[in-house]
Amino acid sequence: DAKTTQPTSMDCAEGRAANLPCNHSTISGNEYVYWYRQIHSQGPQYIIHGLKNNETNEMASLIITEDRKSSTLILPHATLRDTAVYYCIVRGKNDYKLSFGAGTTVTVRA
Amino acid sequence: SAVISQKPSRDICQRGTSLTIQCQVDSQVTMMFWYRQQPGQSLTLIATANQGSEATYESGFVIDKFPISRPNLTFSTLTVSNMSPEDSSIYLCSAGSGIEKLFFGSGTQLSVL
Repeated sequence: DAKTTQPTSMDCAEGRAANLPCNHSTISGNEYVYWYRQIHSQGPQYIIHGLKNNETNEMASLIITEDRKSSTLILPHATLRDTAVYYCIVRGKNDYKLSFGAGTTVTVRA
Repeated sequence: SAVISQKPSRDICQRGTSLTIQCQVDSQVTMMFWYRQQPGQSLTLIATANQGSEATYESGFVIDKFPISRPNLTFSTLTVSNMSPEDSSIYLCSAGSGIEKLFFGSGTQLSVL
């Protein structure tokens, strides 16, 4: 049973911010939100994760709503190399496993 | 971070044969996992490779079909046994230490004729 819901696909313009939504309405208090991406012919790559506070790193920002039922991954300046499938994953605090849903296929266009 | 190397990167095999995929990590890791990614699909967890003990398999996957070894903290193998065309997939190794993030190999693309 899927813990997250993401749009199937989205297009973004190169150089613009890409905002990727994720719904996780059944998330529990000790579960984290993780984002990974998979570029074609490669293994998934970790992007960012958070519990309830907004997070930022060199790749992206993660905005989690106050009720934690949804989040948005922001790629501040999308490039063609950001074209990939992006996975939003809810993961328990003590759960080492990752369960992948269908993800969002993001295409960055010049 | 951890760098994960998988061998082979791809193979074409005959029905009924077996293939062993190797996963080597450049540092000691606590957890190692094996995933399958069927054509056009997302990743499905096959099993957790436990160091020094039997692997823990997810529902729908059995040891006879996917035997796994993990002799130490940096190495694991996955064997796909008695292959059929339905086993044609990408098989990925994943590893990490601690809860924060997992790293993935580039995968082994398997085609069964």
